[in-house]
Amino acid sequence: AQSVTQPDIHITVSEGASLELRCNYSYGATPYLFWYVQSPGQGLQLLLKYFSGDTLVQGIKGFEAEFKRSQSSFNLRKPSVHWSDAAEYFCAVAVYGGATNKLIFGTGTLLAVQP
Amino acid sequence: GAVVSQHPSWVICKSGTSVKIECRSLDFQATTMFWYRQFPKQSLMLMATSNEGSKATYEQGVEKDKFLINHASLTLSTLTVTSAHPEDSSFYICSARGDSGALLYEQYFGPGTRLTVT
Repeated sequence: AQSVTQPDIHITVSEGASLELRCNYSYGATPYLFWYVQSPGQGLQLLLKYFSGDTLVQGIKGFEAEFKRSQSSFNLRKPSVHWSDAAEYFCAVAVYGGATNKLIFGTGTLLAVQP
Repeated sequence: GAVVSQHPSWVICKSGTSVKIECRSLDFQATTMFWYRQFPKQSLMLMATSNEGSKATYEQGVEKDKFLINHASLTLSTLTVTSAHPEDSSFYICSARGDSGALLYEQYFGPGTRLTVT
């Protein structure tokens, strides 16, 4: 069955430190992968996506992610975290089901940024 | 581009009443819209997928008669929570997907609606 695993429920980093959020997926076909960010009480904002091509993708707000097929991973990184990055981060994979595609979300990683 | 709105952003209703939530794609035609439910500190759970002009497809365990979905046009889908009870209190998020190119594989999310049933 298709699934997305985010092993880290909660991460705390210092402002200015680097960040890596882990994401592993299980899907038989070529995956379409996404990272979304959600601030409290808000909807989801797309940070970046991978469809094909270069396995290192750049997104908004200085985020990047690397697709590693051999590890079934799509980890999100940022070299220097800002206090405004504190939020919940969701990894998702697009699943093809007949006439439509669905997104399967991971359980999310809550990022706290300390001064 | 690809903006999705939801209305209302929050609503409080009494137990036993019904409440309707609207989801609109503002600058593109959304052949498919999705409705999610999110409990506090949890991930998004897909409730149903709706295609314009046809019946919604509900995920396993979601009550069709309780959560009525209508996708009457290419820019509007509605979710009606019928005979709401306190356990229906949640954050409901919709998303929309286009019908060509990159829009076919991406979902654009609305800001969510906080429903509280008293």
